[in-house]
Amino acid sequence: EAQVTQNPRYLITVTGKKLTVTCSQNMNHEYMSWYRQDPGLGLRQIYYSMNVEVTDKGDVPEGYKVSRKEKRNFPLILESPSPNQTSLYFCASSLAPQGRSTEAFFGQGTRLTVV
Amino acid sequence: EDQVTQSPEALRLQEGESSSLNCSYTVSGLRGLFWYRQDPGKGPEFLFTLYSAGEEKEKERLKATLTKKESFLHITAPKPEDSATYLCAVQATGRRALTFGSGTRLQVQP
Repeated sequence: EAQVTQNPRYLITVTGKKLTVTCSQNMNHEYMSWYRQDPGLGLRQIYYSMNVEVTDKGDVPEGYKVSRKEKRNFPLILESPSPNQTSLYFCASSLAPQGRSTEAFFGQGTRLTVV
Repeated sequence: EDQVTQSPEALRLQEGESSSLNCSYTVSGLRGLFWYRQDPGKGPEFLFTLYSAGEEKEKERLKATLTKKESFLHITAPKPEDSATYLCAVQATGRRALTFGSGTRLQVQP
């Protein structure tokens, strides 16, 4: 079954304690990205990756890091989490054709609370 | 700056009562417009992609249409299982990121 898997689904942490949210896809997609979803603001892109070792900032990258060492995995790293990073996070993957844009497949989400 | 505005924010329908959701967008050049469905506690699920004005796509009780300024998601004779938040997103020419609207929360009562 084609899917994007995120872990953990729920996480409560304290300010400043480094954490990593993992994301893995089994569709051999080149393009992966991370979004955060906040009430009234919709989904906003944090970082994206066009392929292995190729990453770039999205619209709200401050306070986050990513890496893409393997095609299937795209972890999101919060080096020093702060309460304003409390949010619902989604990982997504898609093909990256030269022409028309294609749909993104989303993971189930990670609800992060920073206290 | 790319912008997407969805209306209404929330919509309550009786089962069988058809209606439309609106997605107004502003982009420098449209590469694609997407509709997603999101159930509580889950990730967005892809419904449709539209690429150019005049294009229409259908799936069961849903039909998406596109003009140069907006897209509509028409729901014909909805059922309670159609209750969800419907998200609209655009991808502008030359950009990789999707710009999402805040969504329309649809509730269909039996």
